[in-house]
This record gives sequence, structure tokens and C-alpha cells, in this order.
Amino acid sequence: SQTIHQWPATLVQPVGSPLSLECTVEGTSNPNLYWYRQAAGRGLQLLFYSVGIGQISSEVPQNLSASRPQDRQFILSSKKLLLSDSGFYLCAWSALGTTYQPQHFGDGTRLSIL
Amino acid sequence: EDQVTQSPEALRLQEGESSSLNCSYTVSGLRGLFWYRQDPGKGPEFLFTLYSAGEEKEKERLKATLTKKESFLHITAPKPEDSATYLCAVQAGGGSEKLVFGKGTKLTVNP
Repeated sequence: SQTIHQWPATLVQPVGSPLSLECTVEGTSNPNLYWYRQAAGRGLQLLFYSVGIGQISSEVPQNLSASRPQDRQFILSSKKLLLSDSGFYLCAWSALGTTYQPQHFGDGTRLSIL
Repeated sequence: EDQVTQSPEALRLQEGESSSLNCSYTVSGLRGLFWYRQDPGKGPEFLFTLYSAGEEKEKERLKATLTKKESFLHITAPKPEDSATYLCAVQAGGGSEKLVFGKGTKLTVNP
């Protein structure tokens, strides 16, 4: 069966520090990969998605970037964190298919910026 | 712009008291509507996919239905373990992989 791993589970960072969050998927090949942010009182906001190695689409201009160095690895980064980057970050994957496949989420990273 | 509105924002039920959650949507060319359950501090857990008006899906005490403008998640005889936030999301046509999520309904079932 497929599993998705995100780490760390919680992270406290000072303003202006760099960020690297990692997500890996097991048990499937060529998944679509996604990064979301969930802020209190708001719906999930899609940040980036990738349909293959090195292919990244950005949905929202911001202080963050994403990379996909391997088929089942997705990384969310920032060079300098802002207070507004605080939130709950979720990675998700979906399988390729002829009909739309649901997205499956990891357990997220709670990021607090001080 | 694609939009998803869920109501109510919060719902308290007594154990065994059936009810429904609503998800209304505005989207250009619906490709799929998705229901998720999210427990505190966890990622959303996939429940159902609905593709066309009139479609229904069931899982234990949950039943999801779809019309051309909204979806309902019916909860029959809920138990305290059904307490969670339920999220609705839609995917529009046009080839985008993007899901648009509602803000969710927080369900609390009291014993």
C-alpha cells in the first residue's frame, strides 16, 4: 500500500531563517505531488504541484519554493522566513489515471515563526 | 473564480442524532467533488469522490450525494468517534490538477 511521510511534525523558526520541509511517498511510481498550507479559519491553499521530476507549478506568488529532485520526493523551501509563513503545511500525492484520482495527505508540519 | 462554501461552520449533535452537512460550489466544468475528514493536528483523510449529479457513495454511517450545485454529507446515527472537521473540495475542468477546498464543517458528537 502507498504511504506518505512528512517531517518534521513541528518546527519553530526565527524570522529570516531558511526552511526545508521534506515529503516522500512510498508504494507508487510517478505520483503527482502537492504542497498545501492550511491557516486557521481558512481552507487549504494549494502552493505548488508537480507532475514529474523537475516539473513544478506555482499557484501563489510567495516567499516559498518547491523542488522535486526524485520521483517520490518533494521539498518545500524558503531562503528567509516571514511571520506570515506560519501555518500547517501539508504534502499530498495522487496517482495518474484516466479519471481524476483523489489526493492523499500526509500528517503535516506545524510551522511557527517567531 | 471557482468557489466552495460549506455550511454550517460548526455542528453539535447528540449521539444517534442524524444530520447533513452542505457543500455548495461554483466551478466551470466539474471534474470531481471530494469529501475528506480531518482530525485535529492531522492531514485530511479521503472519504469519497463524486463525479456526476445524482451519484451517491456510502461508507459506514456516512453517505455523500451530489447535485449540479451542491453536495451533502449525510451522517446517520453518529457516534462520538465521528467528531472531526469535514472538508469538501472540487476540481474544475481545463486540465488543472488544482483542488479548491471549502473551510470545512467542524462536527462534534456528544455521547
